[in-house]
Amino acid sequence: SQQGEEDPQALSIQEGENATMNCSYKTSINNLQWYRQNSGRGLVHLILIRSNEREKHSGRLRVTLDTSKKSSSLLITASRAADTASYFCATATSGNTPLVFGKGTRLSVIA
Amino acid sequence: DGGITQSPKYLFRKEGQNVTLSCEQNLNHDAMYWYRQDPGQGLRLIYYSQIVNDFQKGDIAEGYSVSREKKESFPLTVTSAQKNPTAFYLCASSGGLSGITDTQYFGPGTRLTVL
Repeated sequence: SQQGEEDPQALSIQEGENATMNCSYKTSINNLQWYRQNSGRGLVHLILIRSNEREKHSGRLRVTLDTSKKSSSLLITASRAADTASYFCATATSGNTPLVFGKGTRLSVIA
Repeated sequence: DGGITQSPKYLFRKEGQNVTLSCEQNLNHDAMYWYRQDPGQGLRLIYYSQIVNDFQKGDIAEGYSVSREKKESFPLTVTSAQKNPTAFYLCASSGGLSGITDTQYFGPGTRLTVL
């Protein structure tokens, strides 16, 4: 089944720096969602962007969507050690099919 | 205190035994899901249910079974037919107007280890 693929697989940055993660997908989507997972925990929804939207903001998070390139990016500004987690994109295609999750980007923010 | 609960947090079973993982939600959501996550990997969909008494297979349903007798509950049974059951299992639910393409809310997970 279609799957979003995150890039890079792992990212290590210093506290205060910005972190950018990318997600590419294969077929047209209804919406794209980003989730966060702390080690050994469940996922937490961060943001949903619909196919007719290009950019959304939520606090220090900025998500962009380029449907012509079939890609999305998640930017975390002024990162903190507490942002250390895995980040997953999930795509919702048109129709009655559930979300498909990518393999995630592991972000490490070093204090 | 609304949300999704999964129990137990850790589960150990001998090879060849069936085991049932519990998932309960009080969010009044129609749809519920079971995922499997292996180390360093993404989520793979096992089963999902959009309404009581109905469920569909996901990508990796072989060796698993579910039931949806109540809106609040969606238990997953890992049967002895599942060849490699050791994994982290996540339950989720969604209830928005967009149905199964809407935001999902996850439980804390159950880590199953088969000895």
